[in-house]
Amino acid sequence: DAKTTQPTSMDCAEGRAANLPCNHSTISGNEYVYWYRQIHSQGPQYIIHGLKNNETNEMASLIITEDRKSSTLILPHATLRDTAVYYCIPTGGSGNTGKLIFGQGTTLQVKP
Amino acid sequence: EAQVTQNPRYLITVTGKKLTVTCSQNMNHEYMSWYRQDPGLGLRQIYYSMNVEVTDKGDVPEGYKVSRKEKRNFPLILESPSPNQTSLYFCASSSPGGESYNEQFFGPGTRLTVL
Repeated sequence: DAKTTQPTSMDCAEGRAANLPCNHSTISGNEYVYWYRQIHSQGPQYIIHGLKNNETNEMASLIITEDRKSSTLILPHATLRDTAVYYCIPTGGSGNTGKLIFGQGTTLQVKP
Repeated sequence: EAQVTQNPRYLITVTGKKLTVTCSQNMNHEYMSWYRQDPGLGLRQIYYSMNVEVTDKGDVPEGYKVSRKEKRNFPLILESPSPNQTSLYFCASSSPGGESYNEQFFGPGTRLTVL
């Protein structure tokens, strides 16, 4: 399983874009990058995932570098409800059992 | 509304008293899984099931049992709970196949305290 490095914490002003980086330099060629978030002790929530192309959905955008060793989750207009712990999880590919390995994540604090 | 439900949400029990935490999903998902979350250790997978009557161990299965007799339900059984099983438990489900296994819906959590 690929190791990930994320900042422990970040702040963002309400209404501004939140850019959350993740390093996953040991990601294998067939692993996807998944992002989840967990709002204070609630169940984790799926946000977005990608393999090598940039992705966008109604919640966020995902930018993956060309060498796939890092990615950035972008919340375009952060709100107070986006305050949460954000997890970057490389997973999938051959032999996928659906297991998600949650590291320590980044605690995003959105401030008024 | 598509959802994963868990019961009970909170439980305080004593060592050795058998308990079951139920998990049910209404999305016809074939894949279901249990995690526990502990401070400093993150979420760790206990058991998972890829279909009815198919279950397998995750990373921390000791002290737990599961069953998958029907698609919608995946109960977690603690035959003889111990204090080190005090934790926050999450059930998750997803559609089968490829990357979809990893796009999972999580339940609201069950906070278990074993005295």
